[in-house]
Amino acid sequence: GDSVTQMEGPVTLSEEAFLTINCTYTATGYPSLFWYVQYPGEGLQLLLKATKADDKGSNKGFEATYRKETTSFHLEKGSVQVSDSAVYFCALSKIYNQGGKLIFGQGTELSVKP
Amino acid sequence: EAGVTQFPSHSVIEKGQTVTLRCDPISGHDNLYWYRRVMGKEIKFLLHFVKESKQDESGMPNNRFLAERTGGTYSTLKVQPAELEDSGVYFCASSRGLAGVTRGIHEQYFGPGTRLTVT
Repeated sequence: GDSVTQMEGPVTLSEEAFLTINCTYTATGYPSLFWYVQYPGEGLQLLLKATKADDKGSNKGFEATYRKETTSFHLEKGSVQVSDSAVYFCALSKIYNQGGKLIFGQGTELSVKP
Repeated sequence: EAGVTQFPSHSVIEKGQTVTLRCDPISGHDNLYWYRRVMGKEIKFLLHFVKESKQDESGMPNNRFLAERTGGTYSTLKVQPAELEDSGVYFCASSRGLAGVTRGIHEQYFGPGTRLTVT
């Protein structure tokens, strides 16, 4: 079945460091790909998304490119801030034959130190 | 516009008891989803409502879980009787009808979750 695999955390970085969180997926057809973020004490928020190969999603300085050839959707940010400390979830969905349910990776906890 | 709300935010019950979780989706959203995250693992899909109908309940763990969405508005998820392995965070999400969705884009809006602890 379809699945998403993320790099395990926790990840601890210093402020202004470069961030990469790896995400790979296994899916038939043409899934849409998402990154969700959960800040402490809050619900999940959509961070960015991409719907087809080579699409780049971006938001708040974060970027991820839909790579069909490597089945990946790695999250990157050039300079992290303390406020980026959160849990990040990679996910996929297939609307047209699965009703849009999201399939998540296990989440990667990011801690950014001043 | 109010977001997705969930109640309670935290529930602690003993094994064998019953708990009912509630989710109020964003007004006008036909789709309502329940998910669960257990012990820091991945968030797993439980079921999907379209209005008041269950579209997909393939993720429901067993018959101790019962979900309803009367009138196509709020939804409840009842666990009866609760077991230790049911502990986790239960998330609800909603989205607008798929008829208005452009190719591949289907944003779900999540509630803050209910943390269930079964002792």
